[in-house]
Amino acid sequence: QSALTQPASVSGSPGQSITISCTGTSSDVGSYNLVSWYQQHPGKAPKLMIYEVSKRPSGVSNRFSGSKSGNTASLTISGLQAEDEADYYCCSYAGSSTLRFGGGTKLTVL
Amino acid sequence: QVTLKESGPVLVKPTETLTLTCTVSGFSLSNARMGVSWIRQPPGKALEWLAHIFSNDEKSYSTSLKSRLTISKDTSKSQVVLTMTNMDPVDTATYYCARMGAGAWWFDPWGQGTLVTVSS
Repeated sequence: QSALTQPASVSGSPGQSITISCTGTSSDVGSYNLVSWYQQHPGKAPKLMIYEVSKRPSGVSNRFSGSKSGNTASLTISGLQAEDEADYYCCSYAGSSTLRFGGGTKLTVL
Repeated sequence: QVTLKESGPVLVKPTETLTLTCTVSGFSLSNARMGVSWIRQPPGKALEWLAHIFSNDEKSYSTSLKSRLTISKDTSKSQVVLTMTNMDPVDTATYYCARMGAGAWWFDPWGQGTLVTVSS
């Protein structure tokens, strides 16, 4: 089973919005509304930002939002801030009690 | 406050078996609908889910690594243990444990991670 496909990098200026895509298949992203997104700063553990495609955990800024269409999920960050610069990973339930991560996307705030 | 902390060897030799322990606090491994996953990340590379175990002892493993992994729990010690056999230099990674809820297929929170290097 291959990893979910994410762009290697995205960038944006402060205040702008960016979207990170996460493309899977009909066996994972396309079949379940169980996509989650994680933010990881260098040297730190990942942090849950979005779960079940579009739900935000308590304490996560409403600048972060998630959506899904077909086999592709997306994470949108609006009003980019310097502290948003990090790596972002998507993860999807893949059936049979297994999970699959994306390859990760490095976000640069210009 | 829910916390998880990984512990284990920093260095293992090729062909050896790795044993990692995740000690949890702030929740009980006997609570219904609670579980713990192991995830790893090679230096500079992506996250990879390895295995999970739930309070009812349901277990699941990565298809590609299933033959090498065993996950277990000791509820009385609040610990989840992962063993990986036949270690290889490509298994060099930071290994994380993270909490999951049964039917809640996401990870929150994560432990700080422990770097394991495989080298002779």
